[in-house]
Amino acid sequence: RKEVEQDPGPFNVPEGATVAFNCTYSNSASQSFFWYRQDCRKEPKLLMSVYSSGNEDGRFTAQLNRASQYISLLIRDSKLSDSATYLCVVNQRGNMLTFGGGTRLMVKP
Amino acid sequence: EPEVTQTPSHQVTQMGQEVILRCVPISNHLYFYWYRQILGQKVEFLVSFYNNEISEKSEIFDDQFSVERPDGSNFTLKIRSTKLEDSAMYFCASNIASSNQPQHFGDGTRLSIL
Repeated sequence: RKEVEQDPGPFNVPEGATVAFNCTYSNSASQSFFWYRQDCRKEPKLLMSVYSSGNEDGRFTAQLNRASQYISLLIRDSKLSDSATYLCVVNQRGNMLTFGGGTRLMVKP
Repeated sequence: EPEVTQTPSHQVTQMGQEVILRCVPISNHLYFYWYRQILGQKVEFLVSFYNNEISEKSEIFDDQFSVERPDGSNFTLKIRSTKLEDSAMYFCASNIASSNQPQHFGDGTRLSIL
């Protein structure tokens, strides 16, 4: 089983749509969870940390299910500028971040 | 907003040559990292550095690689005797504390080995 697994997509959605991404991780002892976004050939940029109780930042909502080792990201009212690759990132041990392969989102007018 | 800066943005080197990639982490951060991303693949951890020593390293980070904090601001990654497969984007990152704090990434150095 891959350490952090994501559907690579692409997800093609119209502007204004709601879209959800999922991610699973293999190490049940993982402590910290994040969503980053990455534009083509650019650096990963932090979108949000993911907390056990779930958290929201504007149009973005992240959920964590420790029992199922599952993380989700919901984007409401998609904008053209949301087009990017969304990286599920897990701190599985120490300070080492483990990245998923990313889910590509394309928002169309 | 403070940011991690990396130089050069693009480095082209002949196979077998040594290369040094430079990073200036965010000034009040204490933990520093190097990651790499081969074109079309996922981001992979190389090494973490704290209190002037390596705290963790991955299997990728073999004897060919070394890191150093030569002064109070710079953090460098040296690759000795580069190979074709070292061609990748190299990202430096830093965070203020350890595992529960997000890491902030520089905009990367694209390394091309000919």
